Amino acid sequence: NAGVMQNPRHLVRRRGQEARLRCSPMKGHSHVYWYRQLPEEGLKFMVYLQKENIIDESGMPKERFSAEFPKEGPSILRIQQVVRGDSAAYFCASSPGGQLNTGELFFGEGSRLTVL
Amino acid sequence: KNQVEQSPQSLIILEGKNCTLQCNYTVSPFSNLRWYKQDTGRGPVSLTIMTFSENTKSNGRYTATLDADTKQSSLHITASQLSDSASYICVVSARTGANNLFFGTGTRLTVIP
Repeated sequence: NAGVMQNPRHLVRRRGQEARLRCSPMKGHSHVYWYRQLPEEGLKFMVYLQKENIIDESGMPKERFSAEFPKEGPSILRIQQVVRGDSAAYFCASSPGGQLNTGELFFGEGSRLTVL
Repeated sequence: KNQVEQSPQSLIILEGKNCTLQCNYTVSPFSNLRWYKQDTGRGPVSLTIMTFSENTKSNGRYTATLDADTKQSSLHITASQLSDSASYICVVSARTGANNLFFGTGTRLTVIP
C-alpha cells in the first residue's frame, strides 16, 4: 500500500514562472491537505480539499496560488508567477475521512521549491 | 483563540540520556492530540495519538502523556539515540470546525554522541 506520493521532490523555477506540485493520496483517502514549511520553521496550513471540493483555503494566499483535487488524478497545488519568497518545502497529507475523525494524517515527503 | 505552544524550541542532549518535550494548548473543544516526528528533509510521521480519556501512551522508547484538565501534553524519550535527532511536532484537533487541526511549531532535538 503506497504512501502519499508527492512529485516532483525538487523543483527549481525562475521568478515569474509557474510551479505545479502534485500529490497522490494514500489509496482510499479522499481528503488532502497542503502545508508550507520554511527552513527552520513549523508547518503552516494552506488548504484542505476533498474530491472536487475546496473545504478550507484560509491559509492560502489569495493571489497566484490555487489548488484542486479532481475526481480523477492527483491533487495539484499551483503557484503562478513565482517569487523568491515562495521558496519552501510544500507538504501534502491525506486522511481517509475528515479531520473530525481520530485517524492520523499521512504525510508525503514534500516538494522543495527553489525560486532563483 | 486556538493555539498550540511547544517548548523548548530546541534541545541538545547526549546519546543515552532521557528528555521531555512539552506541548501546551488552548484548543477547544478538544478531540485528540498527536505527536509527529519529522526527520530533516522528510515528511512528518505519527508517533502517538491521544484522546481525551487517555493519560499515557507508549510507543517503544517514546511515552506521551496528556493532562486534559491543564491542557498539557509531554513526550518523553528514553535512552536517546542518534536517530532521535529530529523535529517533534504537537498537533491538536478540535471537535468542531471544517479545518480543526492546530500545529505547534515543533521542538528541534539534537542527540550528540
